[in-house]
Amino acid sequence: EAQVTQNPRYLITVTGKKLTVTCSQNMNHEYMSWYRQDPGLGLRQIYYSMNVEVTDKGDVPEGYKVSRKEKRNFPLILESPSPNQTSLYFCASSSLQGSFYEQYFGPGTRLTVT
Amino acid sequence: AQRVTQPEKLLSVFKGAPVELKCNYSYSGSPELFWYVQYSRQRLQLLLRHISRESIKGFTADLNKGETSFHLKKPFAQEEDSAMYYCALAIQGAQKLVFGQGTRLTINP
Repeated sequence: EAQVTQNPRYLITVTGKKLTVTCSQNMNHEYMSWYRQDPGLGLRQIYYSMNVEVTDKGDVPEGYKVSRKEKRNFPLILESPSPNQTSLYFCASSSLQGSFYEQYFGPGTRLTVT
Repeated sequence: AQRVTQPEKLLSVFKGAPVELKCNYSYSGSPELFWYVQYSRQRLQLLLRHISRESIKGFTADLNKGETSFHLKKPFAQEEDSAMYYCALAIQGAQKLVFGQGTRLTINP
């Protein structure tokens, strides 16, 4: 089944403790992206990647890092999480060959930083 | 600056009534717009795109460049339409989607 998976789905952590949220897709998509969803603000892009070893900042990249060493994986790294990073995070992927704007989303990761 | 505005955070209508979810955009380029939907316990997924001019699940949306709007409409709402709806604008050349704030639609029986 074609899908985007994220782990963990739920995470509660403390300020300053490094964490990684994994994202994997099995559709051989070139493009992958991370969004955060906050009430009243909608979805905002954090980082995106056009292909392996090609990443770029989105609209709200502060406090986050990403890497794209393999085509299928695009982990989101929070080196020193802070409470304002408490949010619902979505990973998405799409093909650059077809309809790029039909993005396939993961199930979401709900992160709470205390 | 490119921006998508969905003025209604919440919208509640009765089953069988018409529904319209508003979306306005600000963009200097040629707009390409989409509606995404997230049903309860499901992933966010593409509902429709303006260039295809199709009707999906009874929903339609027409791009009005004069009013810079892309409102989503359905003549007779059904309970299964209850979901979170996002309007999105494609930023040409940047391979990027800008999403609105979302509207939570509730269809009352």
